[in-house]
Amino acid sequence: DQQVKQNSPSLSVQEGRISILNCDYTNSMFDYFLWYKKYPAEGPTFLISISSIKDKNEDGRFTVFLNKSAKHLSLHIVPSQPGDSAVYFCAASALRAGNQFYFGTGTSLTVIP
Amino acid sequence: DVKVTQSSRYLVKRTGEKVFLECVQDMDHENMFWYRQDPGLGLRLIYFSYDVKMKEKGDIPEGYSVSREKKERFSLILESASTNQTSMYLCASNPFGGNSPLHFGNGTRLTVT
Repeated sequence: DQQVKQNSPSLSVQEGRISILNCDYTNSMFDYFLWYKKYPAEGPTFLISISSIKDKNEDGRFTVFLNKSAKHLSLHIVPSQPGDSAVYFCAASALRAGNQFYFGTGTSLTVIP
Repeated sequence: DVKVTQSSRYLVKRTGEKVFLECVQDMDHENMFWYRQDPGLGLRLIYFSYDVKMKEKGDIPEGYSVSREKKERFSLILESASTNQTSMYLCASNPFGGNSPLHFGNGTRLTVT
């Protein structure tokens, strides 16, 4: 049973516009959420994280929003750049449950120049 | 900077062969993980380890085993490779306790023919 879901397999955005990637989770014990970026034939690279005590975390062009009541998180990339084209995975873990990480199925982002 | 090194980027093996995938991390992390990534399925946890000689099954351990004889090294073993084990294999590590992102290696693309 998929505990972390990314319902959009792909997303296309014009360069300079905002990219919004979404993620839903089912386990209310999750208290740490992350986004990873992955290029083909490379390992995932950590982008940004948020703990459950916050609802927003920013790092440069990347902002993650957490809505605990809706069990939903999103990643905003502003402005989008062609180099952002990659597959993005969200992940979640629960420290009290052994800190095992659960990943979504990924969203392939294409930023069109 | 954390470095997780996987010994091979590409491997081609025959059905029935015993396959060893090696992973080494240089940051003295207690936790190490093996995932496989398949299109449409995201990253799925095979095995993980919290300490030397300790191992825990993940979501899809069937057909795999692991070995952790030293803190920095975590090996994944395919006892008798099958074609359905053709996949991208990703090793990751993070420190024990608290919320900390996983650091991934570059992956091993394994093809079983």
